Amino acid sequence: AQKVTQAQTEISVVEKEDVTLDCVYETRDTTYYLFWYKQPPSGELVFLIRRNSFDEQNEISGRYSWNFQKSTSSFNFTITASQVVDSAVYFCALSDEYNNNDMRFGAGTRLTVKP
Amino acid sequence: DAGVTQSPTHLIKTRGQQVTLRCSPKSGHDTVSWYQQALGQGPQFIFQYYEEEERQRGNFPDRFSGHQFPNYSSELNVNALLLGDSALYLCASSLMADKETQYFGPGTRLLVL
Repeated sequence: AQKVTQAQTEISVVEKEDVTLDCVYETRDTTYYLFWYKQPPSGELVFLIRRNSFDEQNEISGRYSWNFQKSTSSFNFTITASQVVDSAVYFCALSDEYNNNDMRFGAGTRLTVKP
Repeated sequence: DAGVTQSPTHLIKTRGQQVTLRCSPKSGHDTVSWYQQALGQGPQFIFQYYEEEERQRGNFPDRFSGHQFPNYSSELNVNALLLGDSALYLCASSLMADKETQYFGPGTRLLVL
């Protein structure tokens, strides 16, 4: 079955702290794609990253970094030196060929960064 | 470069009514997908349109239907509205050649009373 689990419902940190958002996925496909989206209060989902199953290299983009580990079926997202503007709901999502590439989202993690 | 746009931003309907939501894809995109996001949950895939045809469908009843126009814009129609249809409806666009990467619009908040 195709499934995405974000076990952390809510996280609260103080500005400048580092924070890691966990994502665990299940799929029977060998070819799949993983995504992270940010949803601020305005509601629009903002694309952050896409990673395909054949590329296990970790990625860093400014204060954001992603750790993809196929051995544990995890795709975790770390924000370094968090800022108040990082406050949002973050969604991890999975797309695979078995399900005709429709995107399955996790339940989301609400991150609050306090000044 | 315009992103994905949706209209209206908010809508209030009563049970049993019908509603039409609209979406214009990001410039250059040819594929439109619709998602329903209930409060406190992640988006759920409704269906995807490409070349004016429904290509994929999620686990939603036939009350949910759609259309894609020659200019790639799309409509989502929901008939016989139920209270449980209250949600944020998100439209996402992509290129069929790269349909895994989707860009989302701001959504339409539908409240059914």
